[in-house]
Amino acid sequence: EVQLVESGGGLVQPGGSLRLSCVASGFTFSHYWMTWVRQAPGKGLEWVANIKQDESQKFYMDSVKGRFTISRDNAKQSLYLQMNSLRADDTAVYYCARDETYYHSGAYYDAFVYWGQGALVTVSS
Amino acid sequence: AIQMTQSPSSLSASVGDRVTITCRASEGIRNELGWYQQKPGRAPKVLIYAASSLQSGVPSRFSGSGSGTDFTLTISSLQPEDFATYYCLQDYNYPRTFGQGTRVEIK
Repeated sequence: EVQLVESGGGLVQPGGSLRLSCVASGFTFSHYWMTWVRQAPGKGLEWVANIKQDESQKFYMDSVKGRFTISRDNAKQSLYLQMNSLRADDTAVYYCARDETYYHSGAYYDAFVYWGQGALVTVSS
Repeated sequence: AIQMTQSPSSLSASVGDRVTITCRASEGIRNELGWYQQKPGRAPKVLIYAASSLQSGVPSRFSGSGSGTDFTLTISSLQPEDFATYYCLQDYNYPRTFGQGTRVEIK
């Protein structure tokens, strides 16, 4: 059974740092791109960042570039999100998700089938 | 970044109704779009990928269509378990972007 379990959330002051972890089980972690998605309280979903299997490619949403760093440890089946210079508008539940790649009618498409339960990050003084 | 605009933001419907949600991209994204359902306190669930391909295990009352900038999610006969919030997501380029969501409520 595929499982993704996030940890590391909590309360942090503005300007502070936090590191989220996502431990994967039930599949070969090193075979998949992985993604972080967040959701502020009562708000919609925001794609945050993703990372290729060998860490050779990483992509970020504009508002976290230079502040957040996505990384992974394939030996530990783990995904990370290092969050620095945190702001109040970073307050959200952070989900990790496994990227599925589908080949359909001659093209490749992505979808997020497996998600973690989410980790709440609260940035407040 | 590509902006994804959903409409309506919310709707009220009855069990058995046909429901249509639209998503418009700020530039052409071919058919690289997915639809997700989210219930309160739960992680999202993928319904559709490649604009019209039904994810395995998703009921056939859900369907998607569109290409370029305009997309539609249709629920042919709304069921009690379908009351939720729905999001589109473009996977055409980076950064990936979600629509703002459409909340489907019970009338």
